[in-house]
Amino acid sequence: DGGITQSPKYLFRKEGQNVTLSCEQNLNHDAMYWYRQDPGQGLRLIYYSQIVNDFQKGDIAEGYSVSREKKESFPLTVTSAQKNPTAFYLCASSIRFNRGEKLFFGSGTQLSVL
Amino acid sequence: AQTVTQSQPEMSVQEAETVTLSCTYDTSESDYYLFWYKQPPSRQMILVIRQEAYKQQNATENRFSVNFQKAAKSFSLKISDSQLGDAAMYFCAQSPRATQGGSEKLVFGKGTKLTVNP
Repeated sequence: DGGITQSPKYLFRKEGQNVTLSCEQNLNHDAMYWYRQDPGQGLRLIYYSQIVNDFQKGDIAEGYSVSREKKESFPLTVTSAQKNPTAFYLCASSIRFNRGEKLFFGSGTQLSVL
Repeated sequence: AQTVTQSQPEMSVQEAETVTLSCTYDTSESDYYLFWYKQPPSRQMILVIRQEAYKQQNATENRFSVNFQKAAKSFSLKISDSQLGDAAMYFCAQSPRATQGGSEKLVFGKGTKLTVNP
């Protein structure tokens, strides 16, 4: 089945530690995105990638980093500079980079701080 | 600036009845897209319905339909014959239509939690 796989489902971070969230898609989509969801809030865009080897900051990129070395993969690193990392993180993709495109989402990663 | 407002944090409906979720938005763009996404307890977001603002006809998808009032900047979602599986968080979202760029300006509301009572 085609889709987006996020792992792990739950992740715990210690103070000063960097952690990486995995996102893999087999939909052959060009565009991929990372969103953060806090309780009682909508989704906020962290980073997005239009194509392999390219990515841009979203609205809340500080304390995060990404890479897009392969079309299928768009990992997100939450660095120690992100002081409030506890949130639910959603990865998404779309066929192409166009504002009207439907987004396909993964099942998310819940990140908590120990 | 783009904003999306969902004024109903929670709603409930009896199974088989109809419910309407409200959404208002603000944008300086002349053309744009509007969406309703559903987030069930599994937390995976799923597109429910999509509306192109330049189309006057309201979008429908089976039991889901919208009431799009462009002048009032209102985009409500109507769910007919509600089913237990419709219980979820529903998010309204808006993005501008443009000749370049992408979904980086997809703005979400804070969501409405829908409960379906048997």
